[in-house]
Amino acid sequence: QKEVEQNSGPLSVPEGAIASLNCTYSDRGSQSFFWYRQYSGKSPELIMFIYSNGDKEDGRFTAQLNKASQYVSLLIRDSQPSDSATYLCAVGSGYSSASKIIFGSGTRLSIRP
Amino acid sequence: SQTIHQWPATLVQPVGSPLSLECTVEGTSNPNLYWYRQAAGRGLQLLFYSVGIGQISSEVPQNLSASRPQDRQFILSSKKLLLSDSGFYLCAGEARQGGEKLFFGSGTQLSVL
Repeated sequence: QKEVEQNSGPLSVPEGAIASLNCTYSDRGSQSFFWYRQYSGKSPELIMFIYSNGDKEDGRFTAQLNKASQYVSLLIRDSQPSDSATYLCAVGSGYSSASKIIFGSGTRLSIRP
Repeated sequence: SQTIHQWPATLVQPVGSPLSLECTVEGTSNPNLYWYRQAAGRGLQLLFYSVGIGQISSEVPQNLSASRPQDRQFILSSKKLLLSDSGFYLCAGEARQGGEKLFFGSGTQLSVL
């Protein structure tokens, strides 16, 4: 059974600090990794994706991938109250269809002013 | 940009009643389309996916069915709803050669009473 594990939280971070969200996956053959942000009662929105080991930065967001440890993380710098949401980690096979993507249950992040 | 229109936003149905949820896609042709269900505080469970008109794959055996009568239209149906069908239903699309990146509709919160 392929799994994607996340700490459910809530993770509470002061405004302006760095929020660090973590995710582990069981399928060593996984090739594509995604972070979705989901506000309460709303649909998920893709914010980062990464395919290669190392770091990928986009604005205040950095995705980190370590395939040897089967670990992917999301760093949010200068956290804002608007970053308060649930963050879903998703892991795919790298093929052209998203039908093999497995989602984690999400980490709830709360940014306190 | 790619957009999914999904309706209704909320739905309350009695046990045993039929269901029809519809989504339509704009901004891309021949997308892969997906129906997900999300229980409260949980990740996304893939229900159905479609790679083209009339082509439906089911991931979870249940009393739900899906159809794709047109390239940009995806319908989720049930003849008789169960209590366990309650949840947040999300239609998602993936552009052809989209690299497993999903864009979501706004979701339907279904309560079966």
